[in-house]
Amino acid sequence: TQLLEQSPQFLSIQEGENLTVYCNSSSVFSSLQWYRQEPGEGPVLLVTVVTGGEVKKLKRLTFQFGDARKDSSLHITAAQPGDTGLYLCAGLYNFNKFYFGSGTKLNVKP
Amino acid sequence: ETGVTQTPRHLVMGMTNKKSLKCEQHLGHNAMYWYKQSAKKPLELMFVYSLEERVENNSVPSRFSPECPNSSHLFLHLHTLQPEDSALYLCASSYSWTGTGELFFGEGSRLTVL
Repeated sequence: TQLLEQSPQFLSIQEGENLTVYCNSSSVFSSLQWYRQEPGEGPVLLVTVVTGGEVKKLKRLTFQFGDARKDSSLHITAAQPGDTGLYLCAGLYNFNKFYFGSGTKLNVKP
Repeated sequence: ETGVTQTPRHLVMGMTNKKSLKCEQHLGHNAMYWYKQSAKKPLELMFVYSLEERVENNSVPSRFSPECPNSSHLFLHLHTLQPEDSALYLCASSYSWTGTGELFFGEGSRLTVL
């Protein structure tokens, strides 16, 4: 049983479309992070959300932490080919252990 | 360039071989990690070192043996591996192993066990 469930697993869309990726759990996390991993590279941090209900924006990416700190979403507006990659959520449990979701593989076609 | 360097990038080994993966961080961080990334599975935390002391060992088989000689270097010694151990092994570092700090990952070592 995975502590963090990510959906969808795969997403293939056209440039300019919007999309949302979800990260859900029955556990409460101290904080939640989103990473993007491109082929042949390690994951790179996009954002950390700490407070329940928190919303953070990074250009066309909007991240939200659920009120109960059990879930999170990543919304991309007007996706571009450069957004292609594997998106990973990671929840911090007990302040010292990150649990990762299995990832959402996004492909944005020009 | 994340400041975390892993070598080798690719490794093919037989089940009876002994090899090592190396990780070096140039960020002055106090914590270093080994993660295993397999297809369609979440990243699995294997080991955590804080100030050269192992603080986490997630029920990893003894055929994987970590070593942290100083806070900048981390090794993963491999021996008598199984084909199911084939995966991308990621090293990461962070300022501290507690708190909400960012994990800085290396590019990974792609291991294939024949």
